[in-house]
Amino acid sequence: DAGITQSPRYKITETGRQVTLMCHQTWSHSYMFWYRQDLGHGLRLIYYSAAADITDKGEVPDGYVVSRSKTENFPLTLESATRSQTSVYFCASTPGTVKSGANVLTFGAGSRLTVL
Amino acid sequence: AQSVSQHNHHVILSEAASLELGCNYSYGGTVNLFWYVQYPGQHLQLLLKYFSGDPLVKGIKGFEAEFIKSKFSFNLRKPSVQWSDTAEYFCAGTYDRGSTLGRLYFGRGTQLTVWP
Repeated sequence: DAGITQSPRYKITETGRQVTLMCHQTWSHSYMFWYRQDLGHGLRLIYYSAAADITDKGEVPDGYVVSRSKTENFPLTLESATRSQTSVYFCASTPGTVKSGANVLTFGAGSRLTVL
Repeated sequence: AQSVSQHNHHVILSEAASLELGCNYSYGGTVNLFWYVQYPGQHLQLLLKYFSGDPLVKGIKGFEAEFIKSKFSFNLRKPSVQWSDTAEYFCAGTYDRGSTLGRLYFGRGTQLTVWP
């Protein structure tokens, strides 16, 4: 199902450049998340958002910026990319209420970012 | 602090062998627990979830997990693995408190390799 899409799927950039990873979901889910996946670390939460214009830091927010002007979009920006930000980035969403099955995250396909 | 730990980093089995992957969580209150699977090159997919009720939960593809509150564990099991089960498996938990609703804490993952 194409309910949550990420773009680009693959990106190569250079140190110091700004990069934005896009995430779009069609379900009007309240909660959206950005995780990074690195070998030996599993998935670590970068930022999350409970609703439009509400964002909060996760475990590893340094070097990243997010915005949520519309419910369906949750872009992640690396303002000045570093090699340590080479990773696979996953966007996810969830409805946001326990009774509706919240806490069951649905993930996008991922964006593989390489910083040279 | 809340956390989820997976002690097996890489498990190698032959087809038809039985599988048990360990998962422990650290929060003493109400928890929701999940197992996600990531097949090579794909995004995370939900295998099964525990919210409340019967501590033995069944998921897709013959997987099951047992919630043992006294042991803070949620181990994943499958009686007979197949080559197609080769994937990375992530245990995750969320703690049902206010603003963190929907925020998952992931274990580091267990890579399962099944030899035909």
